[in-house]
Amino acid sequence: RKEVEQDPGPFNVPEGATVAFNCTYSNSASQSFFWYRQDCRKEPKLLMSVYSSGNEDGRFTAQLNRASQYISLLIRDSKLSDSATYLCVTGGGNKLTFGTGTQLKVEL
Amino acid sequence: DVKVTQSSRYLVKRTGEKVFLECVQDMDHENMFWYRQDPGLGLRLIYFSYDVKMKEKGDIPEGYSVSREKKERFSLILESASTNQTSMYLCASSFSGFGNQPQHFGDGTRLSIL
Repeated sequence: RKEVEQDPGPFNVPEGATVAFNCTYSNSASQSFFWYRQDCRKEPKLLMSVYSSGNEDGRFTAQLNRASQYISLLIRDSKLSDSATYLCVTGGGNKLTFGTGTQLKVEL
Repeated sequence: DVKVTQSSRYLVKRTGEKVFLECVQDMDHENMFWYRQDPGLGLRLIYFSYDVKMKEKGDIPEGYSVSREKKERFSLILESASTNQTSMYLCASSFSGFGNQPQHFGDGTRLSIL
């Protein structure tokens, strides 16, 4: 079983839609949580950290449920430029563990 | 802005060659990391370093070594390149501190071993 599991997608959504991704993690000792975005053939870039109380950054909202060991990302009012792969990441023991990503395609 | 620079975007080498991938960061980060990324497998950690001259094995260190002689530079070495080491290699760096800090990545090196 992978330490961080994500639905690979693709999620195909129309522009302006709201879309949500979930991921689950198996290591209950994980201490930190992030969402990264990766465009095709580019490096991963930090999208946002995920805090226990939930946090928002513009159109993006992240939630953490420690009891159920899952993390979510909500994107409102999707833009064409949001098309990318979204990586769920957990941290513990000075290392980060990356999920394999969920692909999002926003269409006209 | 954090800048992590990898020496080559694309590299083609032959089986058996010794290959050096270089990474430099300009933010005085203590931690540096080397990953490889393959379709369907995601990012896998090869080696990491917390300090100069210090290194720790990641999840897939076989066939690789690293060197960190200066804080800003972390080199990945393929001792004798093989075709199964064809991959995208990503270097990252982060601060030390409480909990885990986010990592910042270089542009990546697409390495092909023929």
